[in-house]
Amino acid sequence: GENVEQHPSTLSVQEGDSAVIKCTYSDSASNYFPWYKQELGKRPQLIIDIRSNVGEKKDQRIAVTLNKTAKHFSLHITETQPEDSAVYFCAAYKNSGGSNYKLTFGKGTLLTVNP
Amino acid sequence: DTAVSQTPKYLVTQMGNDKSIKCEQNLGHDTMYWYKQDSKKFLKIMFSYNNKELIINETVPNRFSPKSPDKAHLNLHINSLELGDSAVYFCASRPTAHSYNEQFFGPGTRLTVL
Repeated sequence: GENVEQHPSTLSVQEGDSAVIKCTYSDSASNYFPWYKQELGKRPQLIIDIRSNVGEKKDQRIAVTLNKTAKHFSLHITETQPEDSAVYFCAAYKNSGGSNYKLTFGKGTLLTVNP
Repeated sequence: DTAVSQTPKYLVTQMGNDKSIKCEQNLGHDTMYWYKQDSKKFLKIMFSYNNKELIINETVPNRFSPKSPDKAHLNLHINSLELGDSAVYFCASRPTAHSYNEQFFGPGTRLTVL
């Protein structure tokens, strides 16, 4: 089955700096890669996603890049703010190969933005 | 309007008891999931139903039994609760199992087994 590795497990940055979280996946058939943000005590919520036919996607201060050859994708947050502090999860999904359709999540990155 | 709702929000119980968690979605989605999030924050999938049919059953003790009375509801019943069952349980839904669409999570149920 799919395996998603996520690094780092914790990340501390100063307000205004950039933050980068990296994930690798094992199944080359995976073709959809969402990122979820989970604030303390809250539910995970989708912040950005990318499909395998795209190399990069941006939404204001966040961007995701995908390297299919190397099977890794990354989340980039620029001009970080204290409200960006949360646990971030990457995930991988494939739309083929039977009925076992599920998101496989990385283990999460606790991002702390220090004012 | 709450898209995915769960009850109860908190559940504190003794070892050996049986308890249920309920989930409902009003998004018209076909597919629903149960996840367990332990103290290390790892999101582990437990079950998935598509149109009331079980499609994913991960390695979960058979003390856990999901039930989907209709495609808008997915309940989780847990027998003979153990200390290790303490966690936050999230319900989630997506339009269909085989889609690229966003997966929506419920607010979670924090289960504490004493």
